[in-house]
Amino acid sequence: AQKVTQAQTEISVVEKEDVTLDCVYETRDTTYYLFWYKQPPSGELVFLIRRNSFDEQNEISGRYSWNFQKSTSSFNFTITASQVVDSAVYFCALSPNFGNEKLTFGTGTRLTIIP
Amino acid sequence: KAGVTQTPRYLIKTRGQQVTLSCSPISGHRSVSWYQQTPGQGLQFLFEYFSETQRNKGNFPGRFSGRQFSNSRSEMNVSTLELGDSALYLCASSPDRLNTEAFFGQGTRLTVV
Repeated sequence: AQKVTQAQTEISVVEKEDVTLDCVYETRDTTYYLFWYKQPPSGELVFLIRRNSFDEQNEISGRYSWNFQKSTSSFNFTITASQVVDSAVYFCALSPNFGNEKLTFGTGTRLTIIP
Repeated sequence: KAGVTQTPRYLIKTRGQQVTLSCSPISGHRSVSWYQQTPGQGLQFLFEYFSETQRNKGNFPGRFSGRQFSNSRSEMNVSTLELGDSALYLCASSPDRLNTEAFFGQGTRLTVV
């Protein structure tokens, strides 16, 4: 069985602060994929990143960065210099081999950026 | 390029009724997945369709069913609605089953009264 835990239910930070969203996962698969999605108030899930289990390199994309540590089964997401537009619910997700089918989502972290 | 279109956006049904939700994937996308989002259970996988065949199914009762047409459009049906079926139903499409990125629609908000 696969499981994704996002222990932080809600986080509020003041604009321009850095914030890290935690994600811990459980799986028995040796090959798997990890994702982060953003859900703004409009409802649709916006894909942010995918990482496969063989690639532990950290990734940076603009103000976003991701830290994947297989040893601790964690895939944390950091937003640097947060902006009000970053306010949303963020979901970490896990999928078995072959990509994005049958995603197992965490419960999400509601991030509020205070102007 | 149009995104994933889900219709209707909002729906109110009475307990015991049935409902059909529609999802039109991005043009050229052949894989469609459905998810249920509730405050209590979060986002849960319902089923995945590819080439008109159900490839994966989540842990939902048989009241939940779906299908995919030759043009890749998909419908899901819930029969004998229960109050607990009230949720946001999200559809995601991707070009194929090996694609890394799924594009989600804005969902259908179903309320069962």
